[in-house]
Amino acid sequence: AQTVTQSQPEMSVQEAETVTLSCTYDTSESDYYLFWYKQPPSRQMILVIRQEAYKQQNATENRFSVNFQKAAKSFSLKISDSQLGDAAMYFCALTTSGTYKYIFGTGTRLKVLA
Amino acid sequence: EADIYQTPRYLVIGTGKKITLECSQTMGHDKMYWYQQDPGMELHLIHYSYGVNSTEKGDLSSESTVSRIRTEHFPLTLESARPSHTSQYLCASSAYGGRTEAFFGQGTRLTVV
Repeated sequence: AQTVTQSQPEMSVQEAETVTLSCTYDTSESDYYLFWYKQPPSRQMILVIRQEAYKQQNATENRFSVNFQKAAKSFSLKISDSQLGDAAMYFCALTTSGTYKYIFGTGTRLKVLA
Repeated sequence: EADIYQTPRYLVIGTGKKITLECSQTMGHDKMYWYQQDPGMELHLIHYSYGVNSTEKGDLSSESTVSRIRTEHFPLTLESARPSHTSQYLCASSAYGGRTEAFFGQGTRLTVV
């Protein structure tokens, strides 16, 4: 079975500061992909960043970067220079080429304080 | 924004009514999914499809049913709505299943009274 765990139900960060959201996962498959999604209040879920398991280099998208620790099965998201628009629910997700299903964590609500 | 659309956005309906939540995508994606999002925001996969005429039940048991007659269309039906069906329903699609990201619709917030 595949699982995704987000142990931080809620996080807060001051505007312009850096915050890290945690995610751990479990899968027995070797070909898998990891994602962070953002869901603003009452708005559409959108992709923030993705990481292929076979790539050792951590993915980066502007102010968003991941720390992918394959052996530890950890996939954290770092948001630098936090902005008010970053306030949202953040979901970590796992999928494999064998199942085609996307398994989501329980989410972390990020609050950005002005 | 992704080209995946859900209608209606909001629906309030009485107990016992039959309802269909619509989901359409214009990206030609083979894989489509329905998730139920509970008040705590957790996402539960209730149905998925690998392509036309293919449907599978997800990890969370649901009284709803789905069909996939056309690639672009993946409607979800509740034959007899109950208050326990009150939830947000999210539709998603992806091009290659596990190799790419899923794109989400805006969701349908269903309230059964």
